[in-house]
Amino acid sequence: SQQGEEDPQALSIQEGENATMNCSYKTSINNLQWYRQNSGRGLVHLILIRSNEREKHSGRLRVTLDTSKKSSSLLITASRAADTASYFCATGNSGGSNYKLTFGKGTLLTVNP
Amino acid sequence: SQTIHQWPATLVQPVGSPLSLECTVEGTSNPNLYWYRQAAGRGLQLLFYSVGIGQISSEVPQNLSASRPQDRQFILSSKKLLLSDSGFYLCAWSLFLGLNTEAFFGQGTRLTVV
Repeated sequence: SQQGEEDPQALSIQEGENATMNCSYKTSINNLQWYRQNSGRGLVHLILIRSNEREKHSGRLRVTLDTSKKSSSLLITASRAADTASYFCATGNSGGSNYKLTFGKGTLLTVNP
Repeated sequence: SQTIHQWPATLVQPVGSPLSLECTVEGTSNPNLYWYRQAAGRGLQLLFYSVGIGQISSEVPQNLSASRPQDRQFILSSKKLLLSDSGFYLCAWSLFLGLNTEAFFGQGTRLTVV
């Protein structure tokens, strides 16, 4: 079953603006990750935030995690047309020796030049 | 460095025909391996994952099966395809050890059942 739910489902902004995407999940997690998918391609890992972390930065990306609310946000600053893609959150869960990632449905981001 | 290969990139198969999609990983040992399916405009659904040779866990009941005959080889199969099996299939791997590891994806196989 789907663990993460991204919001909004689609987002359209102008180049240079910031884009914020949110993710909510239901069960306890070891970590939360964000991935990017260009149309018709595989997913590329962007950033991982552990359950004991609250905020993480990587270049123009900023991720927050609120485990009390079971939610995360991805902020892309100073967006570029090349940022146009689908963005997915994924939760990492472990059960014994089984570690697996469960993905949400994604947010389609369109950055208009 | 580690790489993941998935083939074919696209496949058109008639209803009732068999399926075999292959995924191999290079540059790492004993990876966790995953098969995901992505329907059009939807998220990724985890189909199978494997923590070792011959060890397969199924996440959802379906018309598909998976096998791991070698450490770095993961195969997705079906004896008889259904129209509902159409979709974008993605293979991925992650490190076996450690609770905070990312997944590395192949480029996917676009399967159309006609």
